[in-house]
Amino acid sequence: AQTVTQSQPEMSVQEAETVTLSCTYDTSESNYYLFWYKQPPSRQMILVIRQEAYKQQNATENRFSVNFQKAAKSFSLKISDSQLGDTAMYFCAFMKPLSYSGGGADGLTFGKGTHLIIQP
Amino acid sequence: DAMVIQNPRYQVTQFGKPVTLSCSQTLNHNVMYWYQQKSSQAPKLLFHYYDKDFNNEADTPDNFQSRRPNTSFCFLDIRSPGLGDAAMYLCATSRDFVGLPYEQYFGPGTRLTVT
Repeated sequence: AQTVTQSQPEMSVQEAETVTLSCTYDTSESNYYLFWYKQPPSRQMILVIRQEAYKQQNATENRFSVNFQKAAKSFSLKISDSQLGDTAMYFCAFMKPLSYSGGGADGLTFGKGTHLIIQP
Repeated sequence: DAMVIQNPRYQVTQFGKPVTLSCSQTLNHNVMYWYQQKSSQAPKLLFHYYDKDFNNEADTPDNFQSRRPNTSFCFLDIRSPGLGDAAMYLCATSRDFVGLPYEQYFGPGTRLTVT
């Protein structure tokens, strides 16, 4: 079974600062997906960024980027130029790969989340 | 807009009184998931449907059941809710197609209160 660990229950930074959220995971799989999801207060969870484990290049999406260290099983999220709208719970999540033989997509295994607060 | 819709957004039920939560999607995704998220905890997968095939997580209590009458709808039935079942229930969908970027799309959730 996979486990995902987020060691920072809460973080607070000033607007426009850069912040890094940590995530480590444990798996025996060689290929898998990693995700960061954002859950704003009272709003639905949305995907921030995804990373396929077979890709060595770190994923980036505008102000969001990851530092994926496969050997260390580490997957941190960096938010640059943080904005008030970035305030939310951030969940790191793991998923086993889809099966080429037609197996179904498994669900996500989530970490406990990091509550990120952007201060004005 | 295509989306995942959950009804109701808030549900109050009595201890032991059966309750059904619903999820619908306009994305035409073949996989639908139900997660339970208790206060200040990570979402936990209860089960998922791959098309009409039901996949139950090993530690999902028997008290929880699910139905998927068609591609668009999926229901979560809690047969005898206990106080410990109070939580946010999240529905998610995905398109299982190898080779395409994978993403689960989440609904807004139904917050269940058990009195």
